[in-house]
Amino acid sequence: QQPVQSPQAVILREGEDAVINCSSSKALYSVHWYRQKHGEAPVFLMILLKGGEQKGHEKISASFNEKKQQSSLYLTASQLSYSGTYFCGTADGSSNTGKLIFGQGTTLQVKP
Amino acid sequence: EAGVAQSPRYKIIEKRQSVAFWCNPISGHATLYWYQQILGQGPKLLIQFQNNGVVDDSQLPKDRFSAERLKGVDSTLKIQPAKLEDSAVYLCASSLDRASHVFGSGTRLTVV
Repeated sequence: QQPVQSPQAVILREGEDAVINCSSSKALYSVHWYRQKHGEAPVFLMILLKGGEQKGHEKISASFNEKKQQSSLYLTASQLSYSGTYFCGTADGSSNTGKLIFGQGTTLQVKP
Repeated sequence: EAGVAQSPRYKIIEKRQSVAFWCNPISGHATLYWYQQILGQGPKLLIQFQNNGVVDDSQLPKDRFSAERLKGVDSTLKIQPAKLEDSAVYLCASSLDRASHVFGSGTRLTVV
């Protein structure tokens, strides 16, 4: 079952904050976040394992609510370089098989 | 460290022709994945290898798609015969311990 991302698209000014959500109908083992710029390969941002932990570096962080089967990506004080399409990839079940199912993506545009 | 290498970068073929894509994963990465990414959508897993064995090929259209990973390193993905709906970017990714994916730049296939 494909996870659902919201919103589908976001337009921000530099310095503004954004939240991207990812919801699944299945119990999750982990959630991965990737960013893809136009014409390029997706780039790994972070992975969250079940347990409700929050991870992040610099101004990009994420949380994982295992009970709600949801994850949120937080982009703080956005920069022009944050523009791109963000995908969550979910791993179902109780163990790590490596298989990910990706959401449909959230397009983020940061304007000067 | 060298990234995931894919070739060719672009390919245009007529429907009913055959095509093959090549992937060289990061050295030491036992898990290799082939994804299909249709424009505007998230990557969709086609097949997952662990060393030279298939872990998951449930979404591979086996009547026309085939993949192999001889000797547990390089991999090839073949489509024969191609259909118009196969037009997409084919992404190869590899991972260490089935953790974060490192994606190649992909092969953009256009079927006319």
